[in-house]
Amino acid sequence: NAGVTQTPKFRVLKTGQSMTLLCAQDMNHEYMYWYRQDPGMGLRLIHYSVGEGTTAKGEVPDGYNVSRLKKQNFLLGLESAAPSQTSVYFCASTGGRNEQFFGPGTRLTVL
Amino acid sequence: GQSLEQPSEVTAVEGAIVQINCTYQTSGFYGLSWYQQHDGGAPTFLSYNALDGLEETGRFSSFLSRSKGYSYLLLKELQMKDSASYFCAVNRDDKIIFGKGTRLHILP
Repeated sequence: NAGVTQTPKFRVLKTGQSMTLLCAQDMNHEYMYWYRQDPGMGLRLIHYSVGEGTTAKGEVPDGYNVSRLKKQNFLLGLESAAPSQTSVYFCASTGGRNEQFFGPGTRLTVL
Repeated sequence: GQSLEQPSEVTAVEGAIVQINCTYQTSGFYGLSWYQQHDGGAPTFLSYNALDGLEETGRFSSFLSRSKGYSYLLLKELQMKDSASYFCAVNRDDKIIFGKGTRLHILP
C-alpha cells in the first residue's frame, strides 16, 4: 500500500496563476483533509471531506476550493494564487476518529 | 471556537523523561491525539485518548482529563531521534484541529 500520496512535491507559481494539488489514498478511508503549515502556526485545516461527493470548510478556507469526485482522491485548487498562500500543504486521511495518515506534503511558493 | 495551547519549546536531556502539555478551551470533542513531526517530514500519529486517563505505547504515554481541559504527552528514556515537534489535536464534528506544536530539543 502506498498510503497517502501527494502531487506535486514542489511548485513555484506567480501571483494570479492557478493550480491543483492532488491527494490520493489507497486505504479506503472515508475522511480526507487538507492542511497548510506555516512556521510557528502549526497545521491549519483548510477543507475536509467526510465521504465521496462531500466537502466542508475548515479554519482557513478562503482562496481555496476542493473536490472529492472519487473516494480515493481529494483535490485542492487555488484559482488565483497569492504570496500569502506560500506554505507547505499536507493532505491526510482517516478511517475513523483517531489516527490520521499524512501525505509527504507539497511545498508551494507563490512569487 | 476551539483553542489548543502548547508551549512553543521544551528542552530535555538524553535518557531523561519529558512532559509536553496541551490545554484546551473546547468541549464536546470525540478524543485527543498526539502527533510527532521531524523537520522536513510529515506528521505521524503517536497516541489517541478517547476517555480520561493514561494510554501507554512503548516509551510514549498520553494523558487526558476532560474536566480539567488538559492533556500531556510523556516521553521516557529520551533518545536523540525524539528531537522533533509534537502536536496535540482534537476531533470535533469531524474536524481535526491541531495546536501550534511544541519543539522538543534534546541535549546529549
